[in-house]
Amino acid sequence: TAGITQAPTSQILAAGRSMTLRCTQDMRHNAMYWYRQDLGLGLRLIHYSNTAGTTGKGEVPDGYSVSRANTDDFPLTLASAVPSQTSVYFCASSQTIGQGAHEQFFGPGTRLTVL
Amino acid sequence: GQNIDQPTEMTATEGAIVQINCTYQTSGFNGLFWYQQHAGEAPTFLSYNVLDGLEEKGRFSSFLSRSKGYSYLLLKELQMKDSASYLCASMDSNYQLIWGAGTKLIIKP
Repeated sequence: TAGITQAPTSQILAAGRSMTLRCTQDMRHNAMYWYRQDLGLGLRLIHYSNTAGTTGKGEVPDGYSVSRANTDDFPLTLASAVPSQTSVYFCASSQTIGQGAHEQFFGPGTRLTVL
Repeated sequence: GQNIDQPTEMTATEGAIVQINCTYQTSGFNGLFWYQQHAGEAPTFLSYNVLDGLEEKGRFSSFLSRSKGYSYLLLKELQMKDSASYLCASMDSNYQLIWGAGTKLIIKP
């Protein structure tokens, strides 16, 4: 079982260009998440999806968009990249959202540099 | 506001015991998570506490005091492979995780 895969592993992107970070899970988890991790800061939630067909904004959604057309895939799009979006991006999933110890499982991350 | 505080860095000796503290303040509370993250890798789940008290899992234990907004992760019989960052996260009223910046644990022989 692969768990969660992310692509690409790393990317250098020119400012102003658009890019989609891909995330796929094979655990049939209902909930999926996108985080960014910056040095000295905790993981910050960008967008989330409680179930296929629904999405919600996290703590830092500006400049990013997501879609959840099916259970397995949760792509993150940067419409017009800016240098402040340089970060490591993690996709995560959990069985569901709500009461209980539903730990989140993380993908390997995408290291994005915007120049 | 929501806030998670944990020490930035700690150093310990192989074979010893170390306690990593975390204080949290979130809008609502639905449990406290600890994750381990090795450099350049993804976070992996270690423990979950929602009731007061100590949860033991092998060499790792996690403690929660809801009244004090306080948790700690206790690592026993430290091994070199335990060198990593340890992330504390509180689940808020919307069942979203609020993360601390992480504690980098350095193990010396």
